[in-house]
Amino acid sequence: DGGITQSPKYLFRKEGQNVTLSCEQNLNHDAMYWYRQDPGQGLRLIYYSQIVNDFQKGDIAEGYSVSREKKESFPLTVTSAQKNPTAFYLCASSIRSTRTSNTEAFFGQGTRLTVV
Amino acid sequence: AQTVTQSQPEMSVQEAETVTLSCTYDTSENNYYLFWYKQPPSRQMILVIRQEAYKQQNATENRFSVNFQKAAKSFSLKISDSQLGDTAMYFCAFAPTGANSKLTFGKGITLSVRP
Repeated sequence: DGGITQSPKYLFRKEGQNVTLSCEQNLNHDAMYWYRQDPGQGLRLIYYSQIVNDFQKGDIAEGYSVSREKKESFPLTVTSAQKNPTAFYLCASSIRSTRTSNTEAFFGQGTRLTVV
Repeated sequence: AQTVTQSQPEMSVQEAETVTLSCTYDTSENNYYLFWYKQPPSRQMILVIRQEAYKQQNATENRFSVNFQKAAKSFSLKISDSQLGDTAMYFCAFAPTGANSKLTFGKGITLSVRP
């Protein structure tokens, strides 16, 4: 079955350590996104990528990094520079937007990161 | 910059009744799409309905319909015959067309359906 998979579901890390969240999709989607969800804040865009080997900063990119070496994969690294990393992280993918059309995003089940 | 505003943080509705969730947005784009997503307690995001800005006709999906007012930049969601399974957070989202389109969400609204 086609879908988008995030792993792990729960992740614990010590303060000061970098951690990488996995996102894989087999929907043949060009575009992929990372969002952070905090209570009362909605979904805030961290990074997004419309094609392989290219990505753009979202609204809250500081303290995060990404790579897009393969179409299927868009891992997110939460670095020690991120001041408040404990949050719920959502990955999404969609068909690439064109000049005249767009489609909805499909989401993974999320990763709950807790930094202690 | 584009913004999406959901000013009501919480709403409650009696089962079988109708409820309307509000959303406004701000953009200078002329071609774009609007979405409503549902996030139940499982936290899985589910698309409820989408609207193309160039279409004047309001989108409908079974019990869910929208009131799209392009000039007012308003995009409300109406849920008819509310069911207990509709209890969830609902997010309004905006995405322009174009090569570097990004999907922007509002802060969401928590809807509770009372039995």
